[in-house]
Amino acid sequence: QEQLVESGGGVVKPGGSLRLSCAASGFTFSDYLMNWIRQGPGKGLEWVAQINNRGTITSYADSVKGRFTISRDKAKNSLSLQMSSLRAEDTAVYYCAREVAGIAVAGNYYYMDVWGIGTTVTVSS
Amino acid sequence: SYELTQPPSLSVSPGQTATITCSGDYLGDKFASWFQKKPGQSPVLVIYQGYKRPSGIPERFSGSSSGNTATLTISGTQSIDEGDYYCQAWDSSAWVFGGGTKLTVL
Repeated sequence: QEQLVESGGGVVKPGGSLRLSCAASGFTFSDYLMNWIRQGPGKGLEWVAQINNRGTITSYADSVKGRFTISRDKAKNSLSLQMSSLRAEDTAVYYCAREVAGIAVAGNYYYMDVWGIGTTVTVSS
Repeated sequence: SYELTQPPSLSVSPGQTATITCSGDYLGDKFASWFQKKPGQSPVLVIYQGYKRPSGIPERFSGSSSGNTATLTISGTQSIDEGDYYCQAWDSSAWVFGGGTKLTVL
């Protein structure tokens, strides 16, 4: 059974740091791109970061660029998000999600098909 | 930056058809996805590549796209379909979500 389980959330003061982890099981982790997505209280879904299957290419939302770092460990089947210089607006439930990428006649396609249960990050003094 | 626009809310009666739109430049060329999100639960993929349904998603969910608009249609809407629905597309090395549509089944 394909599964993603996040951990590492908690309460942190503004300016502080936190590291989130996402444990993958039930599929070949190194075959997939991975993403972090968050949802703040009363807000919509917001994409945070993406990493390719080999861990060599990363992308970030403008709102976290320079403060967050996404990484992955093939041996541990694990995805991480190192968050620093945290702000109140980073308060959210953070989800990791698996991304499928492929090629169709009409062009390349991508979608997120497996999501974790989420871990809550609260930035507050 | 790329933007996807959805109506904030939609109300339908049980058994009716719910139609949720998502607008963005050249969205019809971008293979939009749709997610269902209920409070306290993880998002669930209900449509990918614009019109395909993952296994386990009921046939009443369908998707289409043309020009600048992607559409999620729920035929014979049931009370269990209540929740927030988000469209999503990839553009210029970033994933973009629509603002979400709150579907109420009265």
